[in-house]
Amino acid sequence: AQRVTQPEKLLSVFKGAPVELKCNYSYSGSPELFWYVQYSRQRLQLLLRHISRESIKGFTADLNKGETSFHLKKPFAQEEDSAMYYCALTGATNKLIFGTGTLLAVQP
Amino acid sequence: KAGVTQTPRYLIKTRGQQVTLSCSPISGHRSVSWYQQTPGQGLQFLFEYFSETQRNKGNFPGRFSGRQFSNSRSEMNVSTLELGDSALYLCASSLTGTGYNEQFFGPGTRLTVL
Repeated sequence: AQRVTQPEKLLSVFKGAPVELKCNYSYSGSPELFWYVQYSRQRLQLLLRHISRESIKGFTADLNKGETSFHLKKPFAQEEDSAMYYCALTGATNKLIFGTGTLLAVQP
Repeated sequence: KAGVTQTPRYLIKTRGQQVTLSCSPISGHRSVSWYQQTPGQGLQFLFEYFSETQRNKGNFPGRFSGRQFSNSRSEMNVSTLELGDSALYLCASSLTGTGYNEQFFGPGTRLTVL
């Protein structure tokens, strides 16, 4: 079965602390993995995708095929990082399978 | 470029009614996908249209249908509304249908079924 699991509904950290948002997936084949972000009162938008291997807004994510994980990391959280984060996968189509999301709250 | 637009933004219906939601993609985008977002189930894929043809479909009952016009605008229809259909309906557009293309999401239509 195709599935994306985000075990944490809420992650609260202090400004300057490291952040790791967990994502595990189940997929038979070679999926493409993504992180989407939704800031308060804004649209859902792509943060990064594993094939680009970019660092966006200081966030990185490494695809670990052995552990079927795609955790999102940032060494020093900023207050403006507070948002809802969704991990998603697709199998080379436009059909995205989303996790349930993790709300990141960065405290001052 | 103007972003993806969805109309209406808010809708209140009663059980048994039907509803039509509209999505206008970014100019030049030919693929439109629809998602349902609820607190309990999260974001779930409904269907995707490309060049006026449904190309992918999620696991929703036949009450949920859609179509795409020659200008790539898309509509989705829900017939015989149920309370559980209350949700935020998002559409997303992307350039083509080959492989995965970055999807750009609209603001959503919030449907409340009473």
